[in-house]
Amino acid sequence: AQSVAQPEDQVNVAEGNPLTVKCTYSVSGNPYLFWYVQYPNRGLQFLLKYITGDNLVKGSYGFEAEFNKSQTSFHLKKPSALVSDSALYFCAVRDPSTGRRALTFGSGTRLQVQP
Amino acid sequence: GAGVSQSPSNKVTEKGKDVELRCDPISGHTALYWYRQSLGQGLEFLIYFQGNSAPDKSGLPSDRFSAERTGGSVSTLTIQRTQQEDSAVYLCASSLAASGSGEQYFGPGTRLTVT
Repeated sequence: AQSVAQPEDQVNVAEGNPLTVKCTYSVSGNPYLFWYVQYPNRGLQFLLKYITGDNLVKGSYGFEAEFNKSQTSFHLKKPSALVSDSALYFCAVRDPSTGRRALTFGSGTRLQVQP
Repeated sequence: GAGVSQSPSNKVTEKGKDVELRCDPISGHTALYWYRQSLGQGLEFLIYFQGNSAPDKSGLPSDRFSAERTGGSVSTLTIQRTQQEDSAVYLCASSLAASGSGEQYFGPGTRLTVT
């Protein structure tokens, strides 16, 4: 079975400071990993994904994430946070070795960036 | 716009009534997914379509839930004899299915309230 954990319900950071939103996963094979962001009353927006190759993945709005196989982690990072980054962030995983196409999502982390 | 669209955006219904939720995927996306987002359960997978067939229905919570897709495009999720626990935001997503590694693009969701 595939699963995702986002250990922090909320992350608070000051504008201009670096931010990290944590994600760990569990799959049988090699994972496909995704980050999505959800603004109030909106659907999920795709930020970035890791499929294979370079462990550091760059995505939209200056976000990046690092795949760490030994730690089974895929933490989301940004060097300098903006107030407009305040939103709900979801990590998701798919294990292609199962043949299933559905994503399994973490419980979400609310990011609050203070001015 | 070229994104995933869903209708209605909000639906209030009485317990015991049937409801239909509609999803119009991105043109050319052959894979379509339904998820449910609720406060207590997070984001849950419901059903996956490839073309008009549904190879994965494992997330449908009961036989009151059904979905169909016609013409490889529009999909309808039907909930019969609605219950209060069906109250949630129902999200539809689509993706290019050729490789299976493509990200899923989400619609804005339908907020269902069962009174």
